[in-house]
Amino acid sequence: ILNVEQSPQSLHVQEGDSTNFTCSFPSSNFYALHWYRWETAKSPEALFVMTLNGDEKKKGRISATLNTKEGYSYLYIKGSQPEDSATYLCAFKNYGQNFVFGPGTRLSVLP
Amino acid sequence: KAGVTQTPRYLIKTRGQQVTLSCSPISGHRSVSWYQQTPGQGLQFLFEYFSETQRNKGNFPGRFSGRQFSNSRSEMNVSTLELGDSALYLCASSPDLRGLYSGYTFGSGTRLTVV
Repeated sequence: ILNVEQSPQSLHVQEGDSTNFTCSFPSSNFYALHWYRWETAKSPEALFVMTLNGDEKKKGRISATLNTKEGYSYLYIKGSQPEDSATYLCAFKNYGQNFVFGPGTRLSVLP
Repeated sequence: KAGVTQTPRYLIKTRGQQVTLSCSPISGHRSVSWYQQTPGQGLQFLFEYFSETQRNKGNFPGRFSGRQFSNSRSEMNVSTLELGDSALYLCASSPDLRGLYSGYTFGSGTRLTVV
């Protein structure tokens, strides 16, 4: 069974702060990594699909990097806003397996 | 365009009963996956259907089953319900198998409570 870890489990930041969190996954047989944002009372929303070592993706103030050789991905949020408050999930897939979701990082941005 | 629609939104069932959940994917999406989320657990993969065929199955007992119709709509069935089946069941659709290139689009989920 694949183990996908995310840290920290939860995070409280002030509005305007920049923050980042980590998704760790097995480094062998990497196939793809996804990031999702899950706001309370809504559905998880796809943020990034990452497939290549060294990938860097950006969407507004949110960006992500991928290191498949060492088995981690970082998600960065620049200038956090209250609307960024959500649980951020990563999902990892290797060859022959389905996507495995991490437990998530719960972000709270205080105004 | 319409998103992924799951019905019903909430459901209360008694132990031993069976339940059927429905998912209508985004138009044109041929892949439908089902996930279970329980308190303290991440999203656990149940199964994936693509073009009416089950392509993958997670580590759940045989009481959990599903199917996909020719219009890509999918149903999930749980028989002989147990208290531990109480969870949020999410359906996710994608134009490609396993959402590899575009990610999944999730529905709002069905909250099942077994009493």
